[in-house]
Amino acid sequence: AQSVTQLGSHVSVSEGALVLLRCNYSSSVPPYLFWYVQYPNQGLQLLLKYTTGATLVKGINGFEAEFKKSETSFHLTKPSAHMSDAAEYFCAVSDRNNNNDMRFGAGTRLTVKP
Amino acid sequence: NAGVTQTPKFRILKIGQSMTLQCAQDMNHNYMYWYRQDPGMGLKLIYYSVGAGITDKGEVPNGYNVSRSTTEDFPLRLELAAPSQTSVYFCASSYSGRTGSTDTQYFGPGTRLTVL
Repeated sequence: AQSVTQLGSHVSVSEGALVLLRCNYSSSVPPYLFWYVQYPNQGLQLLLKYTTGATLVKGINGFEAEFKKSETSFHLTKPSAHMSDAAEYFCAVSDRNNNNDMRFGAGTRLTVKP
Repeated sequence: NAGVTQTPKFRILKIGQSMTLQCAQDMNHNYMYWYRQDPGMGLKLIYYSVGAGITDKGEVPNGYNVSRSTTEDFPLRLELAAPSQTSVYFCASSYSGRTGSTDTQYFGPGTRLTVL
């Protein structure tokens, strides 16, 4: 079965600094990859997803991620952090042959310092 | 549209009690899912449904039951609550989860359950 590893349970950046949240996946078949954001006491909201085609995927709120097959990675970036970006971020992978079986990483909590 | 709604928001159960977590969606989605989220962990799939009358087990189904009598509703039943079921439960739905689909899953706000 596929799996996801998120490197770093907590990341802290200053407002205006680059945000980089790391995600590596394991899958025996070409995967679908997702990044979700969770604000306190709320459900998950999709930031972006990779299915096929262009490996650089742009999402909402200025985030983007690049699918790198050779590195089995799907890192999330944003050029300039905003205070409102403080949240928990989850990377997830699903199997193209069984799209209902989505596996989530443990999450990375992003803190943005003024 | 209200999207995906869940009730209750919070609940405390005693060991051995039973309860049903409610989930409803008004987006006419065929696929619905139940996840649990434990501290420091990602979400794990409990059960899912591909349409009314059809359900299937996910990664962690033990101790739970589901039913899907309508497209809109997908309740999760805990029969004999145990402390290991203390968690936050999320319901989600998508238009389609069929093979090759890329439809987004939409999540409800969650139910925080404590079993003492």
